[in-house]
Amino acid sequence: QKEVEQDPGPLSVPEGAIVSLNCTYSNSAFQYFMWYRQYSRKGPELLMYTYSSGNKEDGRFTAQVDKSSKYISLFIRDSQPSDSATYLCAMSRGGADGLTFGKGTHLIIQP
Amino acid sequence: GAVVSQHPSWVICKSGTSVKIECRSLDFQATTMFWYRQFPKQSLMLMATSNEGSKATYEQGVEKDKFLINHASLTLSTLTVTSAHPEDSSFYICSASNREEAFFGQGTRLTVV
Repeated sequence: QKEVEQDPGPLSVPEGAIVSLNCTYSNSAFQYFMWYRQYSRKGPELLMYTYSSGNKEDGRFTAQVDKSSKYISLFIRDSQPSDSATYLCAMSRGGADGLTFGKGTHLIIQP
Repeated sequence: GAVVSQHPSWVICKSGTSVKIECRSLDFQATTMFWYRQFPKQSLMLMATSNEGSKATYEQGVEKDKFLINHASLTLSTLTVTSAHPEDSSFYICSASNREEAFFGQGTRLTVV
């Protein structure tokens, strides 16, 4: 079993829809959870950053972490064509540990 | 957010030559820098972790003699791919951390011919 599982998609939704992206993980030591957006041939861009369980909202984006289920989610409200990208979940034990990434979900928002 | 500059953004080199990639944190001092590799349609895989002034820690399966990492200052880390081969062709991304968040460079696409 991989440490982080993420459905690669593609996930195609119409403009304005609510998008739900998620990852599961197996390592209970992970404490920090992030979502990154990556456009083709570019480096990842940090969208949301959460420590431990709970919800965090930033504009149209909401991140949820459920450590008991080892499950994290990213919701995008009022999706726009410009949101079309690959979304990667990532997590870390903290300190000087690097990030462990999911494979990324390719999201397509249809105009 | 903080800015991490990675250079070059793309490079093509001949098999057997060496290539150096630079990673700079422009507006903060990075206590730790990370190097990742991303093959097409694959996730980012951590290659090594480096702290300023100390030797890098490499992940299992990554050859430390092939991928030389130098972290000379709190704002600069370099990755040198020595004796590159076509199988080293990949997207290399650096990340700089200020203990709370990690910020990524734009990546370097290396093609070895």
